[in-house]
Amino acid sequence: GNSVTQMEGPVTLSEEAFLTINCTYTATGYPSLFWYVQYPGEGLQLLLKATKADDKGSNKGFEATYRKETTSFHLEKGSVQVSDSAVYFCALSDWNTGGGNKLTFGTGTQLKVEL
Amino acid sequence: NAGVTQTPKFRVLKTGQSMTLLCAQDMNHEYMYWYRQDPGMGLRLIHYSVGEGTTAKGEVPDGYNVSRLKKQNFLLGLESAAPSQTSVYFCASRNTAEQFFGPGTRLTVL
Repeated sequence: GNSVTQMEGPVTLSEEAFLTINCTYTATGYPSLFWYVQYPGEGLQLLLKATKADDKGSNKGFEATYRKETTSFHLEKGSVQVSDSAVYFCALSDWNTGGGNKLTFGTGTQLKVEL
Repeated sequence: NAGVTQTPKFRVLKTGQSMTLLCAQDMNHEYMYWYRQDPGMGLRLIHYSVGEGTTAKGEVPDGYNVSRLKKQNFLLGLESAAPSQTSVYFCASRNTAEQFFGPGTRLTVL
């Protein structure tokens, strides 16, 4: 079946530091890949996505590249801010696993950015 | 345009009690989902619906029932609550590109 593995947190960084959150996946078909962000007390919001190999998703200074050869979709940001403190979820949607277009989520990585 | 809304926001139940969580969306989406979020486990799909009048089981459906009588509403029911159902519950609806999530319901079962 499908699965998503992401690095465990929490990750604590100083403001303006470089961020990488690793994500790897297992899927039977040709998945689309997503990063969602959850701010404290809120629901999940889509941060970025990529629908095919070598696509790069980007938003708000965050980037992730769909690497089929390494089955990875690592999230990066060159300079984090305190406002980026949140929980980040990697997810995949595999169109070939039947109806529902369901998402499979990783366990989430908590990021804390300090001044 | 309110997006996806959930009621209630918080609830405390005693073991064996029943309750219904309501999810509503005003985006005319066909697909709707119920997830539970537990520490260290990410989000797990409970049930989903691909359109009005349809429901299907997700990854962790036991102890829950759902109904989709109207396109805009997706109800999640707990007939006899158990402490293992203490969790944060999220509803989502989907267009062709992404899922949109509600703010969540925090449920505690004592």
